[in-house]
Amino acid sequence: NAGVTQTPKFRILKIGQSMTLQCTQDMNHNYMYWYRQDPGMGLKLIYYSVGAGITDKGEVPNGYNVSRSTTEDFPLRLELAAPSQTSVYFCASSEGQYNTGELFFGEGSRLTVL
Amino acid sequence: AQTVTQSQPEMSVQEAETVTLSCTYDTSENNYYLFWYKQPPSRQMILVIRQEAYKQQNATENRFSVNFQKAAKSFSLKISDSQLGDTAMYFCATRSYNTDKLIFGTGTRLQVFP
Repeated sequence: NAGVTQTPKFRILKIGQSMTLQCTQDMNHNYMYWYRQDPGMGLKLIYYSVGAGITDKGEVPNGYNVSRSTTEDFPLRLELAAPSQTSVYFCASSEGQYNTGELFFGEGSRLTVL
Repeated sequence: AQTVTQSQPEMSVQEAETVTLSCTYDTSENNYYLFWYKQPPSRQMILVIRQEAYKQQNATENRFSVNFQKAAKSFSLKISDSQLGDTAMYFCATRSYNTDKLIFGTGTRLQVFP
């Protein structure tokens, strides 16, 4: 029962490098999300998707890109990493707002930009 | 726009006692969900309890219950018979039926002492 799987769990980047955080879910959920959590803070929405081929910006999209070519996968791309992007990143999925409304989360990916 | 406010950054309680975490929210929607999520040191986001705004009856899940005051836009979480394993960050969140996004508060860090 995998649920939402994120990789990698930890990563250190140098300023200006790029990387992709992978997220996959096996629950056939249409909705997928990327959040970031800064130390001692709540979760801020970066991007979300309501289905394959559809993505939209959240509260803090700058410096990130996403794609959704399949229902299962929702990768998050960081271009030109900056220290301000040091954070823990959570991927989540949901059936949709007309069901339980609940989001199911991955275990998080800790990213440090030096 | 939806907002969630948690005014207690930290709380502590002795084992077996009861503690209440506060949450207020703002929304112009009539139909929405409210959630409490728990984030233990493992970082995993775990759903504690869910309330649908159209239901007047307060949700309960074992030792966890809520006091939902719709007119006051208040959604507090009561933890009875606190256990050491309840030590965690607790996030209040809301999601409208008409939007795809879950909006979080900044969290309350709960410490349960033996």
